[in-house]
Amino acid sequence: EVQLVESGGGLVQPGRSLKLSCAASGFTFSDYNMAWVRQAPKKGLEWVATISYDGSSTYYRDSVKGRFTISRDNAKSTLYLQMDSLRSEDTATYYCARHWGTYLDYWGQGVMVTVSS
Amino acid sequence: DIQMTQSPASLSASLEEIVTITCQASQNIGNWLAWYQQKPGKSPQLLIYGTTSLADGVPSRFSGSRSGTQYSLKISRLQVEDIGIYYCQQASSTPPTFGAGTKLELK
Repeated sequence: EVQLVESGGGLVQPGRSLKLSCAASGFTFSDYNMAWVRQAPKKGLEWVATISYDGSSTYYRDSVKGRFTISRDNAKSTLYLQMDSLRSEDTATYYCARHWGTYLDYWGQGVMVTVSS
Repeated sequence: DIQMTQSPASLSASLEEIVTITCQASQNIGNWLAWYQQKPGKSPQLLIYGTTSLADGVPSRFSGSRSGTQYSLKISRLQVEDIGIYYCQQASSTPPTFGAGTKLELK
C-alpha cells in the first residue's frame, strides 16, 4: 500500500524557516518524481514544487523560487521541503504527492504550516 | 501559466441526480487533464486522468469528456459518498495548474 506521511509543520514567525519531510513507503521511491502541493485555509490547490526521481531536476512556482528548496533522499525514501523567508501567504496545508507522469496519483494526509507573529 | 476556469463554484444536487462540472482551459492542453476529489477533511484523490480514464477503484458512474478546450466531469447517479470538492488540473505544462474547485453538496 502506498503511504506518504508528512511531518515538520507548525507555527513559525514571518521571515523564519521550516523544513517539511515526507516519508514514503509501499513503492520504489527512487522510480518516481515527487511534488509538494499546498492548500491555504478554505482555498484551492496550488502546486509548489516538483523534483525528478533522481533529484537532478527541480521546478518551483514563481512565488517560492529562491525561498523554498525541494530535495530528496532516495536511500531513506524521504522527500523534503526547506522553506526559508516564510511569509503569511505561505500559510497552508502542505501535501506531499507522487507524480504519475504529469498527474498526482497519491497524496499524503497533509501538514499544516502557519506563518504568523 | 495556463488558467483553468472551473464552474460552478458550488452545486447542490439530489441523490441519484446527474451532476456535471466543467473546466475551461485558457489554451490547448490536449487530453492532459485530470480531476481530483477531496472529501471533507481529507486529502485529494485522483479521480480521472487523460481527460477520460478512471483511476483505480473509481466507480463507473464517474466519467470525463472534452469539447475543444472545455472539459467535463459527469457523475451519472449521485451518491452520498460523492460529496466533497472537485478540482480539475491541467497536466500539459509546468506549472501544473488547478481549477478553483466545485463544492458538491446534497440537496
